[in-house]
Amino acid sequence: EVQLVESGGDLVQPGGSLRVSCAASGFTFSNFWMSWVRQAPGKGLEWVANIKQDGSEKFYVDSVKGRFTISRDNSKNSVYLQMNSLRVEDTAVYYCARARVAATPATFDIWGQGTMVTVSS
Amino acid sequence: DIQMTQSPSTLSASVGDRVTITCRASQNINSWLAWYQQKPGKAPKLLIYKVSSLESGVPSRFSGSGSGTEFTLTISSLQPDDFATYYCQQYDTYSWTFGQGTKVEIK
Repeated sequence: EVQLVESGGDLVQPGGSLRVSCAASGFTFSNFWMSWVRQAPGKGLEWVANIKQDGSEKFYVDSVKGRFTISRDNSKNSVYLQMNSLRVEDTAVYYCARARVAATPATFDIWGQGTMVTVSS
Repeated sequence: DIQMTQSPSTLSASVGDRVTITCRASQNINSWLAWYQQKPGKAPKLLIYKVSSLESGVPSRFSGSGSGTEFTLTISSLQPDDFATYYCQQYDTYSWTFGQGTKVEIK
């Protein structure tokens, strides 16, 4: 079964750091772009970051540039999001998502169940 | 950045109704337009990709159309399982944007 499982969400103080992880199974992980998408409580979806199959290209939404870093370990079938200088407005469920086809990162076809990150004092 | 605006924000409908949701882009976009369904507490589910292609396993009552700046998702005959929130999403040169969502409620 094709599956993504996120972990690492927690309560953290403003200015703090957190790393969330996503473990993939059931497909050849190294063939696909991977993404993080977040959803603040009661709000819509917001794309956060993407990483190419070999990790050579990474892209971020403007609001997290310089604070968040996406990475992957193809030997562990995992993608990560390191979040530094966290702000209250980063509070959200963070979803890991797979690009639908290997050739382009345009659409997300497989999603994890999400992990909750709460930034509060 | 390209902004995506969905309308309506909320839609009240009955089982069996034909439902149409519109997504407008702030500038012309290519064919990388997708639609997702999300139920409370669950991850989004891909319904439509590349404007009008139905994802495997998605019922044929769902369809997508459009071009340029205006796109639509149509549910031909609303079923009880379809009450959810729907999002459009565009992709353009390493930038991904979602619409704000349309909640389909029971009338």
